[in-house]
This record gives sequence, structure tokens and C-alpha cells, in this order.
Amino acid sequence: DGGITQSPKYLFRKEGQNVTLSCEQNLNHDAMYWYRQDPGQGLRLIYYSQIVNDFQKGDIAEGYSVSREKKESFPLTVTSAQKNPTAFYLCASSRRGQPNQPQHFGDGTRLSIL
Amino acid sequence: KQEVTQIPAALSVPEGENLVLNCSFTDSAIYNLQWFRQDPGKGLTSLLLIQSSQREQTSGRLNASLDKSSGRSTLYIAASQPGDSATYLCAAPYGNNRLAFGKGNQVVVIP
Repeated sequence: DGGITQSPKYLFRKEGQNVTLSCEQNLNHDAMYWYRQDPGQGLRLIYYSQIVNDFQKGDIAEGYSVSREKKESFPLTVTSAQKNPTAFYLCASSRRGQPNQPQHFGDGTRLSIL
Repeated sequence: KQEVTQIPAALSVPEGENLVLNCSFTDSAIYNLQWFRQDPGKGLTSLLLIQSSQREQTSGRLNASLDKSSGRSTLYIAASQPGDSATYLCAAPYGNNRLAFGKGNQVVVIP
């Protein structure tokens, strides 16, 4: 079955540490997205990528970094510069093109501070 | 930038009642709008994608309407069941394949 796999499900970060969240999709989608969700808040876009080897900042990119070396994979690194990283992180993918294509989501990674 | 509002933030209904969830958006130059369901601690499941040309989309007990001119979409859930308890999120597009999300309607269906 095609889908999006996020790992790990739970992740803990120590002070000063960088952590990387994995997102893999086998839907053959060109576009991939990372969102952050805080309690009682809507999803906020961190980074997105429309094609391999290209990505753009979203609304809250500070303290995060991404890479897109393969079509199937879009890992997100939460750096030590992100002072409030505790949140639920969601990865999504879609076909590319206009009009906008529906986005499909993974099951999320919950990141907490130790 | 697109702003999406969902009211009310939370609601409870007795089992069997129809649910009406409202979504408003500020930029009406959209081709479609997407409704999602989110269970606690889970990702988003796409429920319906309404094209602006359709104005309405149905899937089982779910029906979503879209009125671009007024910047509104409504999700109807007929004959609600306890399994419908979840948070329902509305998302409207903007820019290049980007989505703006509302904060969601948290629904509890009381048996």
C-alpha cells in the first residue's frame, strides 16, 4: 500500500542537541511538506519541497533545516537554535502542479525536551 | 496570505444528530478546498476535496459545500456516531501548492 511513513513516533531532545525526523513516501509524489502542530493551533508550514534538490522556507523555518536528495525522502532536522521544539510534527506529500493537488499526511512524530 | 477560521472550536452533540461544521477563508481565489479528520495523537486523514466548480462533494454520510463568493465552506455529517468524535480541519490553498489550515472543530458525539 502506498503511503507516508514518519519515524520515530516519539523523540526526545536534550539541550544543545540536533535531532532528525524521518519522512518517507512511496506515492511517487514530487512535493513534500513539513508542518508543526501545537495544542489548540492549526498546522504551520516549516519547509516544503516541490522537486528533488530544491526546497523553500515556510512560515516558521527558523531553527530547522531540511534536505531533499531523493524523491522519496524529506528529513527534517530540529537544530539547537530552535528554542521551543516541543510539538507534533507532520509530514505530507502531494503531486506537483496547478491547481493545487490534495495533500496526504503521515502519522506524525511527537518531539519533547528532556 | 490566506487566513482560515473554524467556529466553533469545540462542540458536543448527542448520537444521531446531524453535525454542521463551518469554515471561512479570506482569499476566495481558490480552485478547491480540503477537509481533514484528525484523531488524538494521529496524522490527518483527507475526507473530502471540493473543487470550486463542484460547489458540493459527498462521501457516505459526509457532505461538504463550497461558496467561494462568500469565502465559506461547510461540512455536514449526517446521523452522527460516537466514532465521528475527532477534530475536523479545513484547509484552503494559497501560493504555490501551499495550504493554510484552520485550528479545527473538536467534535464529541455523546452515546
